[in-house]
Amino acid sequence: NAGVTQTPKFRVLKTGQSMTLLCAQDMNHEYMYWYRQDPGMGLRLIHYSVGEGTTAKGEVPDGYNVSRLKKQNFLLGLESAAPSQTSVYFCASSYSLTRLSNEQFFGPGTRLTVL
Amino acid sequence: GESVGLHLPTLSVQEGDNSIINCAYSNSASDYFIWYKQESGKGPQFIIDIRSNMDKRQGQRVTVLLNKTVKHLSLQIAATQPGDSAVYFCAEKKDNTGKLIFGQGTTLQVKP
Repeated sequence: NAGVTQTPKFRVLKTGQSMTLLCAQDMNHEYMYWYRQDPGMGLRLIHYSVGEGTTAKGEVPDGYNVSRLKKQNFLLGLESAAPSQTSVYFCASSYSLTRLSNEQFFGPGTRLTVL
Repeated sequence: GESVGLHLPTLSVQEGDNSIINCAYSNSASDYFIWYKQESGKGPQFIIDIRSNMDKRQGQRVTVLLNKTVKHLSLQIAATQPGDSAVYFCAEKKDNTGKLIFGQGTTLQVKP
């Protein structure tokens, strides 16, 4: 049981390049989330999904897109990277409301630098 | 606007002492408040949560206190150990989507 995994672990992009971050979970969780974490700040929610085929915007969605084609995967895309998107990105997953749990399980993070 | 914030960015304690990490929140509509621990280079890890209609909840070596009158949340760690060194975040959950709003974090340093 690997939990939540993220690929890649590190990436350096040039301004204007695109990339996709992949998150996978093997816990059969319904809900998945993408956060970014900047120095001196807590995590901020980018996008989230409450089930396969559904996505919604979080606090800071601009410049990002997501897709949840399969229940176990949640992809975060940057179409045209900007230096302001330099950050550490975390994916998380959690049970649905029927499991009555507030615990989100986090991946190890992806450190992204945009030059 | 709504926010969840911690009083101190850094807390230094002696090994074996008790630690108290504080958090102030502004959104009274939240139904749960949650504490996460983040070790260096890792993702956050759930510690404990408390429902908004409770004042206190205890876990293993940790206690969370909620004072709704002054909108204050605290995490108490008993007999702090070197393995407790990490950044601690409070977060609030306010709706059924599971979305969390995180505070800025307090770094706990445990001195041997």
